[in-house]
Amino acid sequence: NAGVTQTPKFQVLKTGQSMTLQCAQDMNHEYMSWYRQDPGMGLRLIHYSVGAGITDQGEVPNGYNVSRSTTEDFPLRLLSAAPSQTSVYFCASSYSTSGTYNEQFFGPGTRLTVL
Amino acid sequence: KNEVEQSPQNLTAQEGEFITINCSYSVGISALHWLQQHPGGGIVSLFMLSSGKKKHGRLIATINIQEKHSSLHITASHPRDSAVYICAVREETSGSRLTFGEGTQLTVNP
Repeated sequence: NAGVTQTPKFQVLKTGQSMTLQCAQDMNHEYMSWYRQDPGMGLRLIHYSVGAGITDQGEVPNGYNVSRSTTEDFPLRLLSAAPSQTSVYFCASSYSTSGTYNEQFFGPGTRLTVL
Repeated sequence: KNEVEQSPQNLTAQEGEFITINCSYSVGISALHWLQQHPGGGIVSLFMLSSGKKKHGRLIATINIQEKHSSLHITASHPRDSAVYICAVREETSGSRLTFGEGTQLTVNP
């Protein structure tokens, strides 16, 4: 299994550009999430999904869109990039057992710089 | 005030020392996670616990639900243990969502 994969690893954008960060997992996990990590702050949840066709907002959703058309893929779209979105982005997945969610598996991260 | 507080923020130790990292939280939880973030940035899950104690190799995690406190211990520390250790809680009412502490930067010198 490849686990959780993310592309690209690095990206530089200009203010106002749009792009999509890709995330895929091959573990048939129903739960997937996107976090951003900024210096001096803990990981913050952007959006999450508990299954195909179901998405919800996290703590910092503004400026980001997601969709979940398949169990495997959970892309994160930046609609109009801003310097405040400069961060490291992590995708994670998890599964539930008898209604209880287990450990999260993280992708390697995408380092995004917005100029 | 963050819902999840870790202490210390930074910790430097000599190889072989016993290390303790603390995590306090202010909400009712269904589970607590300890994660490790390597210097290269990758994040791996170390433990998930809802009561008592778990051990994996030289790592031990404990939780006291009544006191809303957890500790991560590393015995016989080694330079390869140098990493950021992150505590995260799953609130009782949040379903699948985790709330993270800011992390503890551990440096183990040879």
